[in-house]
Amino acid sequence: EPEVTQTPSHQVTQMGQEVILRCVPISNHLYFYWYRQILGQKVEFLVSFYNNEISEKSEIFDDQFSVERPDGSNFTLKIRSTKLEDSAMYFCASTGGRKFTDTQYFGPGTRLTVL
Amino acid sequence: DQQVKQNSPSLSVQEGRISILNCDYTNSMFDYFLWYKKYPAEGPTFLISISSIKDKNEDGRFTVFLNKSAKHLSLHIVPSQPGDSAVYFCAALSGTYKYIFGTGTRLKVLA
Repeated sequence: EPEVTQTPSHQVTQMGQEVILRCVPISNHLYFYWYRQILGQKVEFLVSFYNNEISEKSEIFDDQFSVERPDGSNFTLKIRSTKLEDSAMYFCASTGGRKFTDTQYFGPGTRLTVL
Repeated sequence: DQQVKQNSPSLSVQEGRISILNCDYTNSMFDYFLWYKKYPAEGPTFLISISSIKDKNEDGRFTVFLNKSAKHLSLHIVPSQPGDSAVYFCAALSGTYKYIFGTGTRLKVLA
């Protein structure tokens, strides 16, 4: 069964450093998303991406964040200068159809720890 | 601003019994809802969804009920199994591109 994959599974970085979290969505999917979950809290939407541009972003997704689809398979989230409060699980998701009600399939997540 | 709320952080149920997980929402514009299950160190896994044109959707042991007037939905698992032990999130589709998740309910099914 096709699945969303994410690398690395755990990333440790120093405050102020740049990190890039990588995702490989399901191959024929068209819409891509990043969510995050701070420990013990709810899963929060960050950004959605379609047709090579951001469709929607939350107030969390400020200028420190960017997304890119550098090739036909990868979807990346970059945090330019990490802060302690960026420590969280980051989940990538994708959905295939042209209906917005098509299910989003989530990857296993990358745990980001900012020291 | 909690538009989707799950007021029970945890629930314990005996194996074979019914598990009922509840979710409330505040935005009457939401018209599509989903339940996801999450095991530790894994991403959320889709379970079942419901559109606001329905009040019930069933898939095997899982049934979701939607009460639009009360802005309430619930997930019923019958019979509950130990493998169902996980955190359950309800989510609402907001606009066209994003899910708004609740805070989750940790279900423990006791053997």
